[in-house]
Amino acid sequence: EAQVTQNPRYLITVTGKKLTVTCSQNMNHEYMSWYRQDPGLGLRQIYYSMNVEVTDKGDVPEGYKVSRKEKRNFPLILESPSPNQTSLYFCASSLSGDSNQPQHFGDGTRLSIL
Amino acid sequence: LAKTTQPISMDSYEGQEVNITCSHNNIATNDYITWYQQFPSQGPRFIIQGYKTKVTNEVASLFIPADRKSSTLSLPRVSLSDTAVYYCLVGDGYGLTGGGNKLTFGTGTQLKVEL
Repeated sequence: EAQVTQNPRYLITVTGKKLTVTCSQNMNHEYMSWYRQDPGLGLRQIYYSMNVEVTDKGDVPEGYKVSRKEKRNFPLILESPSPNQTSLYFCASSLSGDSNQPQHFGDGTRLSIL
Repeated sequence: LAKTTQPISMDSYEGQEVNITCSHNNIATNDYITWYQQFPSQGPRFIIQGYKTKVTNEVASLFIPADRKSSTLSLPRVSLSDTAVYYCLVGDGYGLTGGGNKLTFGTGTQLKVEL
């Protein structure tokens, strides 16, 4: 089954404790992206990746890192999480980054930073 | 940067047709317009996509005027299960040869369908 898989689905942690949210897709997609969703703000893009070893900032990249060492994986790293990063996070992938390619989303990761 | 503007919310009743309009004044020549549906605690789901004129699939229609500065998602005969947030998405249009492509979601329209 074609899918985007995020882990963990839920995480409660404390300020400053490094964490990684994994994202994996099995559709051989070149383009992958991370979004965060907050009440009243909709979906905002954090980082995106056009292909392996190619990443770029989205609208809200501060406090986040990403890497794209393999085509299927695009982990999101919070080196020193802070409470303002408490949010619902979605990973997405598409065949390419062109706007004629629909994005496939994971089920989301709810992070709570205390 | 091709931003989009949508109504924040809309209310409807079961069986009615719902039209949600999205404004995208700065759409680029190569950009497609894509609509997504999102239920609470789930990732957005692709509904329909178009470039110009009219597109129809099994769940919705998309109307795009000649100037492409807006688009209208039409949901025929909505039901309670259509209650969701609907996002209009327009790419930045750089394309694979332009050094980057950042896709930006609009604020979304909360559609509430009642009996």
